[in-house]
Amino acid sequence: GQQLNQSPQSMFIQEGEDVSMNCTSSSIFNTWLWYKQDPGEGPVLLIALYKAGELTSNGRLTAQFGITRKDSFLNISASIPSDVGIYFCAGQLNTGTASKLTFGTGTRLQVTL
Amino acid sequence: GAVVSQHPSWVICKSGTSVKIECRSLDFQATTMFWYRQFPKQSLMLMATSNEGSKATYEQGVEKDKFLINHASLTLSTLTVTSAHPEDSSFYICSARGVGSGTNIQYFGAGTRLSVL
Repeated sequence: GQQLNQSPQSMFIQEGEDVSMNCTSSSIFNTWLWYKQDPGEGPVLLIALYKAGELTSNGRLTAQFGITRKDSFLNISASIPSDVGIYFCAGQLNTGTASKLTFGTGTRLQVTL
Repeated sequence: GAVVSQHPSWVICKSGTSVKIECRSLDFQATTMFWYRQFPKQSLMLMATSNEGSKATYEQGVEKDKFLINHASLTLSTLTVTSAHPEDSSFYICSARGVGSGTNIQYFGAGTRLSVL
């Protein structure tokens, strides 16, 4: 199935640094979601975006819904060791009960002390 | 947030046997449930979508007779891997969406790691 392009694929950063990752699509979505997955666990929702141009924060996390509705980015400020994991973007068209998520390829984040 | 419980978290079985995985929405009614499969270092791949009381809709390439899905109630869906073989070993994750879970948001279970010997 279709996957969204997510970059970078992986990041190695030092504790305290800011992180930025983005997600692009060839088609538009009406909802963008960002999830984090820890090893051996299911994805956990971080931020949901519903309007083009929307900028939403959740603690140290900030995400934006691109104006074209074909992209989104996620920023993490002042990273800490527990930020380690895989971050997935997901787009949804919201076409009723048949709507489903299209996932990005994931960004693997490693934080060093 | 809404809670989705998945059981078991880990299962080992012999080749040729069947395995059932349960997915429950604990604090909301799941009108739609989804089953995903994830290989190491890869993204989630949707296997099938099920609406309560209806037959599941399978993604292209997913064998419906191999992966039986039942969504008999608004809080429970099951995935049965029939006649499992080593190539079925993977991480299976369920997701639920419905009334009370937020505006069209999918919440995920913790996943089930299946190892077929």
